Amino acid sequence: SQTIHQWPATLVQPVGSPLSLECTVEGTSNPNLYWYRQAAGRGLQLLFYSVGIGQISSEVPQNLSASRPQDRQFILSSKKLLLSDSGFYLCAWSVGSGADTQYFGPGTRLTVL
Amino acid sequence: AQSVTQLDSQVPVFEEAPVELRCNYSSSVSVYLFWYVQYPNQGLQLLLKYLSGSTLVKGINGFEAEFNKSQTSFHLRKPSVHISDTAEYFCAVSGQGGSNYKLTFGKGTLLTVNP
Repeated sequence: SQTIHQWPATLVQPVGSPLSLECTVEGTSNPNLYWYRQAAGRGLQLLFYSVGIGQISSEVPQNLSASRPQDRQFILSSKKLLLSDSGFYLCAWSVGSGADTQYFGPGTRLTVL
Repeated sequence: AQSVTQLDSQVPVFEEAPVELRCNYSSSVSVYLFWYVQYPNQGLQLLLKYLSGSTLVKGINGFEAEFNKSQTSFHLRKPSVHISDTAEYFCAVSGQGGSNYKLTFGKGTLLTVNP
């Protein structure tokens, strides 16, 4: 069966520090991978998605970047965190296009102070 | 492009009462529709989805939703809720056709079931 891992589960970082969040998927090949941010009262905002190694689409101009160094690994990064980067970050995967279910990881709670 | 409106940000109900969570969407193309549930501090889990065919879709945990194309709605219902249904519920839409890999989510409805 397929599983998705995210770490760390929680993170408290000072403003201006770097960020690296990791997501890995097991049990499937060539998944589509997604990073979402969830802020209170604002639903889920799609940040990045990837349909293959090295292929990254950015949805929202911002202080973050994403990379996919391996087929089932998706990394969210920042060089300098802002207060507004605080939120709950969710990674998800799917296989195929729009009709297919997206499966979500447990999330990372990021607090920037 | 698609958009989703969840009309109620919070819905409080008593245990064993029926509930309806409302969702309307906007799209220039045909769509697929989804409902996801999120329990506190967890990821999202699929409740049900509409792809084609029967407009009444049954999902897990006794939930169902009805696709209404003329009203561009996809409301979620359950005839009798339990305390354990307390969670946030998200409606989402994906456009059909082409290489469309993206879901657009509503802002969520917090369902609170009280004893």
